[in-house]
Amino acid sequence: QVQLVESGGGVVQPGRSLRLSCAASGFTFSSYGMHWVRKAPGKGLEWVAVISYDRSNEYYADSVKGRFTISRDNSKNTVYLQMNSLRAEDTAVYYCAKNKYSGDSHAVDYWGQGTLVTVSS
Amino acid sequence: DIQMTQSPSSLSASVGDRVTITCRASQGINNYLAWFQQKPGKAPKSLIYAASSLQNGVPSKFSGSGSGTDFTLTISSLQPEDFATYYCQQYYSYPFTFGPGTTVDIK
Repeated sequence: QVQLVESGGGVVQPGRSLRLSCAASGFTFSSYGMHWVRKAPGKGLEWVAVISYDRSNEYYADSVKGRFTISRDNSKNTVYLQMNSLRAEDTAVYYCAKNKYSGDSHAVDYWGQGTLVTVSS
Repeated sequence: DIQMTQSPSSLSASVGDRVTITCRASQGINNYLAWFQQKPGKAPKSLIYAASSLQNGVPSKFSGSGSGTDFTLTISSLQPEDFATYYCQQYYSYPFTFGPGTTVDIK
């Protein structure tokens, strides 16, 4: 069965960096695009970034563009989110999610359980 | 960027009620629209993709419709496990965007 397990969250000071990981299993990871989505306390879901199955394309939300980088290692079945210049407003639970279909269709089906990032001094 | 709106922002309903949530896109998105359910402290759950296609394992009491800019999610007979927040999302163009959510609670 499909499993997505996020890790790397924690408490970090404003301006510092953090890297999240999402380990995938139960499907052919190298065939599917992967997303990061976040939910800040008391707010709704916010799409953060997507990376294509072959790393050829990456897209970002305006709020994180230039500060966050999505990447993947298909040999390790893992997608990453490198978060630099963190701000208080980046405090959220971060979820990874997989595309339902291989290729360029970006409908999501499975989600991880999330990892909490708290940006605070 | 495409803006997504949802109405109502919250609603109170009883077990057995039929519930409809509306989602509107600021420009046409064909049928590139998904619906998700989220309960407090839990990961989102995918319900519907391509505006009207049910994800695997999602009960048929959930249905979606619409195309272009206007979409609906309907729950035919609300059950206790359906009380949650529901989000629509467009995946037609980058950046993908979610609606603000509709919270369904018990009357």
